[in-house]
Amino acid sequence: DAGVIQSPRHEVTEMGQEVTLRCKPISGHNSLFWYRQTMMRGLELLIYFNNNVPIDDSGMPEDRFSAKMPNASFSTLKIQPSEPRDSAVYFCASSSGTLLNEQYFGPGTRLTVT
Amino acid sequence: RKEVEQDPGPFNVPEGATVAFNCTYSNSASQSFFWYRQDCRKEPKLLMSVYSSGNEDGRFTAQLNRASQYISLLIRDSKLSDSATYLCVVDRNTGKLIFGQGTTLQVKP
Repeated sequence: DAGVIQSPRHEVTEMGQEVTLRCKPISGHNSLFWYRQTMMRGLELLIYFNNNVPIDDSGMPEDRFSAKMPNASFSTLKIQPSEPRDSAVYFCASSSGTLLNEQYFGPGTRLTVT
Repeated sequence: RKEVEQDPGPFNVPEGATVAFNCTYSNSASQSFFWYRQDCRKEPKLLMSVYSSGNEDGRFTAQLNRASQYISLLIRDSKLSDSATYLCVVDRNTGKLIFGQGTTLQVKP
């Protein structure tokens, strides 16, 4: 079975550029989570969706970050404009309604902003 | 103060050793507890849930002490393949998992 799919796996961009990260959750899962991981702050939840609706976006650092889930099989996390402090690994995870707490993570996107 | 606190380690142990990690959480409303494992440059993966009565999965034993608000993970007969970072995770049944910073384990031959 396919797990959570993320693209790109690595992204290097210059400060000020727009960055779009993509995620395809596991088929049948109705909750999707975006996380950011850095050495300093660990793993932080940015936003999560349930049935394509954003439920909690309190972790989104600022207005430069936005996330969408137009359908059950696709989500994007956009950073515009990007800054060097956005450099991190961004993980997408999904879970099913019956086991809300068991989250399955994608391989992550390693973002470097220079 | 972080909501979930762990000793970052690293814990360096020889193969075959028994090692234990503890984790404390500050929010008494926390309802569900987990240990996730993360290998270097990989994604976190669920290792085991932690139940009030304690639970065991092979060489791994997890314990929960609600009164003292701590969770433990015991690994017996350590293998080289156990080398990883172990993340303590709590949930207030809101769907929002709170991750600790992780404890790094290095098992040496």
